[in-house]
This record gives sequence, structure tokens and C-alpha cells, in this order.
Amino acid sequence: GAGVSQSPSNKVTEKGKDVELRCDPISGHTALYWYRQSLGQGLEFLIYFQGNSAPDKSGLPSDRFSAERTGGSVSTLTIQRTQQEDSAVYLCASSLTTNTEAFFGQGTRLTVV
Amino acid sequence: EDQVTQSPEALRLQEGESSSLNCSYTVSGLRGLFWYRQDPGKGPEFLFTLYSAGEEKEKERLKATLTKKESFLHITAPKPEDSATYLCAVQGVGAGSYQLTFGKGTKLSVIP
Repeated sequence: GAGVSQSPSNKVTEKGKDVELRCDPISGHTALYWYRQSLGQGLEFLIYFQGNSAPDKSGLPSDRFSAERTGGSVSTLTIQRTQQEDSAVYLCASSLTTNTEAFFGQGTRLTVV
Repeated sequence: EDQVTQSPEALRLQEGESSSLNCSYTVSGLRGLFWYRQDPGKGPEFLFTLYSAGEEKEKERLKATLTKKESFLHITAPKPEDSATYLCAVQGVGAGSYQLTFGKGTKLSVIP
């Protein structure tokens, strides 16, 4: 596709359940980012992937959060045992190289009830 | 730790009334400074990248400038369709990390 694609667009889950969020980056982009945006807050960095290098996981808020990127393309963000404070919009972005502009997807709005 | 502060938090302009948004930053070394526009319910849309002090970029009614401590987004003769939240982000050279650090944004409303 022409842009970054995220699925699902919206996800409502019960507290304690696991969720998986998917990101399809722009073809050929080597860098991929996950961010979280809570109501009224700025974008919070979660994790960064670059090619085959070890990911920068420094932004993951707890060990309930994990992410993988298969074949240098599609990425999945997994949240285990969801809590109400996990409710937010999860944004994925990709960029051609390490210091070029990042293009964002539309986000997944996660609501934990 | 990289930091970005945007001001004002919100700005209301009459159509045609030019103004500027500010982005102040602290970073150990700047790889790049990025401006984005975000509409409600959508992901941020890329506008500009600036790499070094003195650099300027323009697109339609928007012009971005960069100094060693801050960046400005100048909006000339804005239209209602320019209403959005404008986000500034920096990418530093510290510790080999390529993460983007974002400010909280300026919410711009342009009144017809």
C-alpha cells in the first residue's frame, strides 16, 4: 500500500485479556516505530526497529508490553493482561532510513473496560 | 534526555491573521527536527524536516525555521482548513537511539 497501515482501527477489550496490534509499514522502509498517545498527552515512544539490529525497547512501560517485527516488515505490538491505563491510541510509523522523516498510520484506538 | 516544549498550547486566529508557533528543544546533538500536523482521530501527517541551524522550509502557507535552540512554524494568511494540532519532534544522537521525542503540540483554530 501507499501508506502505513494499522489494524484494527478500534479495539475494545476486557481488563486482563491480551491484545495484538498490527502494523504494515511502507514497503522498503527499514525503520519502524511504535508510539502511544493518551488523551491530552503527547506521543510517548514505545519501541524502535531498524533493519536486523536489536530493537530499542527503552520506551516499553512494563514487561506486559512486547513487540516483534517479522522479516523486516510487518510488526505486532502485544499487550498482555491489559489494564485500564493501557487505554490509548497506539500509533505506528516507518521511515526509509534512520534519520529521515517518519510516516504514521491512522492508529489503533484501544479501550480497556 | 531530549526535551521538546511547544508554545502556545492553543492558538485561535482569524482567517488571514498570520502568526507563529514555537518549538524549544534540548538535545545532546541534533539529527533532525520534524514538524507534523495532526487532525482529530488521525495519525500525524509529516510536514517538514530541518537538519541544521539556519535552515528554512516552505509549503503553501507554512514556513519552518530552525536555530540551535528552537524552531518556528510561521503560518501566513491562514485558512480554516489549517486548523489542526501541530507537533514538533526531535531526533538526537545520544546513546545510539533514533527515537523521536515529541512536544505536546499546539492546537490551532482558524476562525472564518
